[in-house]
Amino acid sequence: SAVISQKPSRDICQRGTSLTIQCQVDSQVTMMFWYRQQPGQSLTLIATANQGSEATYESGFVIDKFPISRPNLTFSTLTVSNMSPEDSSIYLCSVSSGLAYEQYFGPGTRLTVT
Amino acid sequence: DAKTTQPTSMDCAEGRAANLPCNHSTISGNEYVYWYRQIHSQGPQYIIHGLKNNETNEMASLIITEDRKSSTLILPHATLRDTAVYYCIVRVTDNAGNNRKLIWGLGTSLAVNP
Repeated sequence: SAVISQKPSRDICQRGTSLTIQCQVDSQVTMMFWYRQQPGQSLTLIATANQGSEATYESGFVIDKFPISRPNLTFSTLTVSNMSPEDSSIYLCSVSSGLAYEQYFGPGTRLTVT
Repeated sequence: DAKTTQPTSMDCAEGRAANLPCNHSTISGNEYVYWYRQIHSQGPQYIIHGLKNNETNEMASLIITEDRKSSTLILPHATLRDTAVYYCIVRVTDNAGNNRKLIWGLGTSLAVNP
């Protein structure tokens, strides 16, 4: 399985600012995903990060609010823009490769917006 | 999209087998059943997946009923470190016919007691 790291591990941000979260994988992977997990809730898929093209967003998530980059097969970033307290959550990066499509997750980034 | 139903919580004595049930009565013939777990403050961890046949790996066994409407994840000798939220997920095929999205429910909170 791939080893995935995320930076930062946690942050406290002010309302109206933006935060960029990085996801680094130790090997090339086919697919990378970004999830949000709000307190006490399950995971919600934000988008699929596509290498060399625009990310594919799920219903309820838009590029202006959550711009995503994926410049190569081992790295992706998620930006949470113009933050409000409702954006306080854990943001998780996951990767998948091969035919089986099981996903492997990073440790997450715990974001608190004040 | 096929949905899953799991008990909210379960208890298990350390050293005993933990049997976690999941109902997925609307599953389609080409949809896989995946199991993940999430230990507190960590990213989810892939456990096992299956289509029709029972599966076993170093972590667990997956028993799928013949009609595929339910499954059971078995941890043969539960330890305190197995305390986590366990998610049963049916892999969804998107409109392009590519299996990519996982729909996450609230899972089963398993407490392994000494």
